[in-house]
Amino acid sequence: DAGVIQSPRHEVTEMGQEVTLRCKPISGHDYLFWYRQTMMRGLELLIYFNNNVPIDDSGMPEDRFSAKMPNASFSTLKIQPSEPRDSAVYFCASIQRSNQPQHFGDGTRLSIL
Amino acid sequence: SQQGEEDPQALSIQEGENATMNCSYKTSINNLQWYRQNSGRGLVHLILIRSNEREKHSGRLRVTLDTSKKSSSLLITASRAADTASYFCATAGTSGTYKYIFGTGTRLKVLA
Repeated sequence: DAGVIQSPRHEVTEMGQEVTLRCKPISGHDYLFWYRQTMMRGLELLIYFNNNVPIDDSGMPEDRFSAKMPNASFSTLKIQPSEPRDSAVYFCASIQRSNQPQHFGDGTRLSIL
Repeated sequence: SQQGEEDPQALSIQEGENATMNCSYKTSINNLQWYRQNSGRGLVHLILIRSNEREKHSGRLRVTLDTSKKSSSLLITASRAADTASYFCATAGTSGTYKYIFGTGTRLKVLA
C-alpha cells in the first residue's frame, strides 16, 4: 500500500494568495483527518470526514479555511486568502474505522510570506 | 481541553540506555496511542492501549496506562541512535472517538 499521499510537500506563497493542499488517503479507509502542526500549538485537528462527509469542523480556525472530499480517494484543504500566521505543517491522516491507528502522510510545509 | 502533555519535553540519553516518556491527559478515554515523528516526516503509529488494559509490549517498547491517574508512560529499552525522534501520545475520548487529541511531544535524542 502506498500510504497516505500529500501534495505538495512544500509550498511558499505570498500573503493573500489562495493555497490548496491535497491528500489521497489509504484505499478502504473511511475516515480522513486534516491536522495542523506548529511549534506553539502542537498538532491540532482541523476537520475530519467519514465516507466523504465532513463530521466535525470545529477545529477549522476561520472561514478562510475550507475542506472538501469529493470522493473516497481525494481531499483538499484550501486557505483563501492566506496569511503569514497560517504558516505551519499540514498533515492528512486516515483510518479504516474507530479505535484504529491513524496513518499519516508526510505533510505539506506551508510558508506564507 | 483534553490535550495531553508529555514529560519531559526533551530527553537526551546514550545509546543502550532506556528512555521513559510520560503522558498525562484530562478526561476519560477510550484508548491511548503513542506515535513517533522523525524530522520532516509524518507521525508513525507505535502502539495502542485500550482503557481496560494496563500494560502492553511491542518489541523494545513498553506502554503502561493508569486511568485513575490519567497518565501513561512509554519505555524504550536498549535505545538506538535511530530512535531519535519526537514522541507523541494521542487520546480518543469515550464520546467522539474519532477526535484524537495529541500531546505536546517529547523530543528524544539518542547519542551514539
